Amino acid sequence: NAGVTQTPKFQVLKTGQSMTLQCAQDMNHEYMSWYRQDPGMGLRLIHYSVGAGITDQGEVPNGYNVSRSTTEDFPLRLLSAAPSQTSVYFCASSLGWREDNEQFFGPGTRLTVL
Amino acid sequence: SQKIEQNSEALNIQEGKTATLTCNYTNYSPAYLQWYRQDPGRGPVFLLLIRENEKEKRKERLKVTFDTTLKQSLFHITASQPADSATYLCALEGDMRFGAGTRLTVKP
Repeated sequence: NAGVTQTPKFQVLKTGQSMTLQCAQDMNHEYMSWYRQDPGMGLRLIHYSVGAGITDQGEVPNGYNVSRSTTEDFPLRLLSAAPSQTSVYFCASSLGWREDNEQFFGPGTRLTVL
Repeated sequence: SQKIEQNSEALNIQEGKTATLTCNYTNYSPAYLQWYRQDPGRGPVFLLLIRENEKEKRKERLKVTFDTTLKQSLFHITASQPADSATYLCALEGDMRFGAGTRLTVKP
């Protein structure tokens, strides 16, 4: 199993550009989520999904869209990038939501918005 | 709203000593709490989970305690080694809110 994969590893955008961060998992996990990690602030939940076709907002959803058309994939879209979105983005998955299952994290995408 | 705090941004200890990291939370009564390890440039990796009805859990050199009255979890690494140097994160059940982490450095 590859676990949780994310692409790209690094990305530089200009303000106003759009892009999609890709996330995939091959563990048949129902729950997937996106976090951003900024220095001194820990991981903050952006959006999450409890299964295909179901998504919901986390703590910091503004400026981001998600969709979940399959169990495996959970892309994160930045509609119009802003410098405040410069961060490291992590995708995670687990067997279920609000269950005592460990989360498996991807390697992260380091995004810089100029 | 939930608030979770790890009260030390950084902790330096000597090899062989016990490292103790603290996680405090407010405005919530989680059914469980998780601890993760994160190395530079990598995603967090799960270490331990402790449930509200468990006072203590151990895994090799790791020990976690959970005091629901104090709203606090302690994470201990005994006989610490330089390879234990990393950032350690705690996370609350629910919307999986994470603390900012404690960066542990174990010096030989």
